Amino acid sequence: QSVLTQPPSASGTPGQRVTISCSGSSSNIGSNYVYWYQQLPGTAPKLLIYRDNQRPSGVPDRFSGSKSGTSASLAISGLRSEDEADYYCAAWDDSLSGQVFGGGTKLTVL
Amino acid sequence: EVQLLESGGGLVQPGGSLRLSCAASGFTFSSYAMSWVRQAPGKGLEWVSSISGSGGITYYPDSVKGRFTISRDNSKNTLYLQVNSLRAEDTAVYYCAKVDGYNPYSGMDVWGQGTTVTVSS
Repeated sequence: QSVLTQPPSASGTPGQRVTISCSGSSSNIGSNYVYWYQQLPGTAPKLLIYRDNQRPSGVPDRFSGSKSGTSASLAISGLRSEDEADYYCAAWDDSLSGQVFGGGTKLTVL
Repeated sequence: EVQLLESGGGLVQPGGSLRLSCAASGFTFSSYAMSWVRQAPGKGLEWVSSISGSGGITYYPDSVKGRFTISRDNSKNTLYLQVNSLRAEDTAVYYCAKVDGYNPYSGMDVWGQGTTVTVSS
């Protein structure tokens, strides 16, 4: 049981916009930054969004992050086949004194 | 270019020990906290430990507290994870990751390629 809750799967067709939600609590998302990671099959996770809504250099602007209260979202617009991957949200949890992750969302591009 | 290179994984019997290492380059190592994150086969990401830039502050989840010890040698730009009393459920790929800040309270912005630990008799 993950501390942060994500849907286990999401899907869309090429060109569509999809969103992945991440629900937490006041001790994690509500008081700390949210990070999003993309993990392509067989590879290490890669930072996609940091500090709620910032994109590292090299990450396409098709990817965007937002946060409201104790929930966060990752949006992917103009969906492409290479976006097919697992996506994880994460945040520091003040009550647990540790990093917490969502269970991951497997994105399928139909 | 920021790089993290893990080593030290392998096959170990239940109850055994290993020391994982992570060689860092391309950034001022002592200015950033570091973390270890693991991923069991077919499962999601699980945070294992974090350490501040100076090494003076460490954090662990209950699942590994008392068995795992994180440390760092800033003179060698190297992060370590001593894993003792290993159990089958510790089988995973262990990733070293750079934290987005001096203290461990932020997320990870750079990840290594991982080293595999297999606990089996």
